[in-house]
Amino acid sequence: KAGVTQTPRYLIKTRGQQVTLSCSPISGHRSVSWYQQTPGQGLQFLFEYFSETQRNKGNFPGRFSGRQFSNSRSEMNVSTLELGDSALYLCASSLGLAKETQYFGPGTRLLVL
Amino acid sequence: GENVEQHPSTLSVQEGDSAVIKCTYSDSASNYFPWYKQELGKGPQLIIDIRSNVGEKKDQRIAVTLNKTAKHFSLHITETQPEDSAVYFCAASSSHAGGTSYGKLTFGQGTILTVHP
Repeated sequence: KAGVTQTPRYLIKTRGQQVTLSCSPISGHRSVSWYQQTPGQGLQFLFEYFSETQRNKGNFPGRFSGRQFSNSRSEMNVSTLELGDSALYLCASSLGLAKETQYFGPGTRLLVL
Repeated sequence: GENVEQHPSTLSVQEGDSAVIKCTYSDSASNYFPWYKQELGKGPQLIIDIRSNVGEKKDQRIAVTLNKTAKHFSLHITETQPEDSAVYFCAASSSHAGGTSYGKLTFGQGTILTVHP
């Protein structure tokens, strides 16, 4: 089975721009979660989508948004980029049931200049 | 919300020695505790997980123990090898149907493990 894929793998943007990241979950998985990883804050939960609905949201400003499509693929968007948004953005997929394993993709490394 | 503390932040061992990483959590409702290994340039990979109805779980050289009363859990790696060198993260989740943190993992700060040949 193919793993979680994320595109693009690397991205350079300037302050004020917006960015869209994409995640394709493992076949059959209905839940996609997004995490931000930085050296200072570690791994922080952004949001989770299950069957096209946002089921949970972390403590991030409204500039961070996401969506999930009927095929379970997910996108996250960051508007009005700030320098502090530079991070590795990780997507994880799971069946979406309680206490189910989340499988991570390789991440998208975003650099904001 | 949930808070997970992980210690030590760095751990250096000789090949063949054992390594132990410890985590504590704050939310007594947490019921799922995975451990991830992250190598440079890659996403976290699950190495073992434990659910709240089990006190210990073992998979070859890796074991995890859970003490729900004390709210802590530990990762034990025996007979370490250089390829075990990576960053290890513990996490906790109170995933349950209808729960407010469903699908959310709260991670520890990570432990950089270095295994010297």
